[in-house]
Amino acid sequence: DTAVSQTPKYLVTQMGNDKSIKCEQNLGHDTMYWYKQDSKKFLKIMFSYNNKELIINETVPNRFSPKSPDKAHLNLHINSLELGDSAVYFCASSVGSPNEKLFFGSGTQLSVL
Amino acid sequence: KNQVEQSPQSLIILEGKNCTLQCNYTVSPFSNLRWYKQDTGRGPVSLTIMTFSENTKSNGRYTATLDADTKQSSLHITASQLSDSASYICVVSVSNYQLIWGAGTKLIIKP
Repeated sequence: DTAVSQTPKYLVTQMGNDKSIKCEQNLGHDTMYWYKQDSKKFLKIMFSYNNKELIINETVPNRFSPKSPDKAHLNLHINSLELGDSAVYFCASSVGSPNEKLFFGSGTQLSVL
Repeated sequence: KNQVEQSPQSLIILEGKNCTLQCNYTVSPFSNLRWYKQDTGRGPVSLTIMTFSENTKSNGRYTATLDADTKQSSLHITASQLSDSASYICVVSVSNYQLIWGAGTKLIIKP
């Protein structure tokens, strides 16, 4: 039973396209996140939702739009993809605040050509 | 500026040997410090959490230490195994809503 699952695992697409990454957690957690891991391996928070409400919104281009239909799901939609968007995107969840242990999905490797 | 620095950047050791990874932070106010293990192609997994009052905590062959005065933490791995090959990331919590991530140490265990 996968705790935090995200799809797809790999995503290869052309510049200018629009794509979505889906994430689901079956842990009953209240908070979900999207992280971006660049080529230097730094993990950077992008967004966080608590019970479907946006609580963290870092400086991310507005081409990125998170959507949380319910507290078990947090999807990431990206418009007009650019070369610099190529990275690994991780979904995560925690019981409450980011101060607590994060449970990560296995990542989506996005390659923009 | 809140910052977390890890050293070394990468480390290669032989199976069965011990090693110690370092994490220095300039974060205020400090809430807690976690070590995560990230296997290649996977998401990070929490190994241990250190709060202000804790000096040492063990999780199997992993032992974390925290010196709040010098703002340093270490992760010691005993009797390394091939499965310990991974990146180890130090994360310091500033408040309930902010985490400062280190760049990680890439550990390679050779048979």
